[in-house]
Amino acid sequence: AQRVTQPEKLLSVFKGAPVELKCNYSYSGSPELFWYVQYSRQRLQLLLRHISRESIKGFTADLNKGETSFHLKKPFAQEEDSAMYYCALRDSWGKFQFGAGTQVVVTP
Amino acid sequence: NAGVTQTPKFQVLKTGQSMTLQCAQDMNHNSMYWYRQDPGMGLRLIYYSASEGTTDKGEVPNGYNVSRLNKREFSLRLESAAPSQTSVYFCASSDGATATNEKLFFGSGTQLSVL
Repeated sequence: AQRVTQPEKLLSVFKGAPVELKCNYSYSGSPELFWYVQYSRQRLQLLLRHISRESIKGFTADLNKGETSFHLKKPFAQEEDSAMYYCALRDSWGKFQFGAGTQVVVTP
Repeated sequence: NAGVTQTPKFQVLKTGQSMTLQCAQDMNHNSMYWYRQDPGMGLRLIYYSASEGTTDKGEVPNGYNVSRLNKREFSLRLESAAPSQTSVYFCASSDGATATNEKLFFGSGTQLSVL
C-alpha cells in the first residue's frame, strides 16, 4: 500500500539557519510528489511539486527514487516560514495522500 | 473568485445527530475530495470523486456518506455523529486532467465537535 511518512512532528530552527523537512514514500508506480503548506489562519496551499523542479520562497525539493524520498530544504529560514508543511503523493487514479505533517517554528 | 467554499465553518453536534457538510467549487474542476485533519495524523482522505456521478472511498470512509450532486458540489454527510468524528474537515478540488497542471485547491475548513 502507498504511504507517505514525515518523521518529524515539530522542527524548531533559528532564523537564518538551514531547514530540512524529511519525507519518505512508498508507492509501486511512478510517483508524483508535492509539498503543501498551511500558514496560520490561511488555507492549505501548494508550495511546490517535483515535476516542476522549481524553487518557491527559497524552498527546493528533489525526488530521490533510490531512497524514495522528497525532502524539502531551505538554506536560510525566515520567520515567515513558520507553518505546517505536508508532503503529498498523487497516485495513478488521481488521489492525493498526505503525510502526518511537520510543524516548523522559526525563532528570531 | 471564491474557489472552494465550505459551509458551515463551525459546528457542534451531540452524539447520534446527523449533519451535512457542504462544498462547492467554481473552477470547473472534475475531481473533488473530502479530508479530515487530526493532530499527529495529518490529512486523511475520507471520500473522493473523480468526476460528476462517481465517488470512491478513501482511507477513512466509515461513518460518512457523500454525494456528488453536480460538477460544482460535493457534500459529506454524517448520519450518526460520534465523538471520534471530532475533527477539522477540508474539501478540495482539482482539475484531474494533466500531471503538469494538477494541484489541489482547498476550502477554509469546517471545525466539527461531537459531544
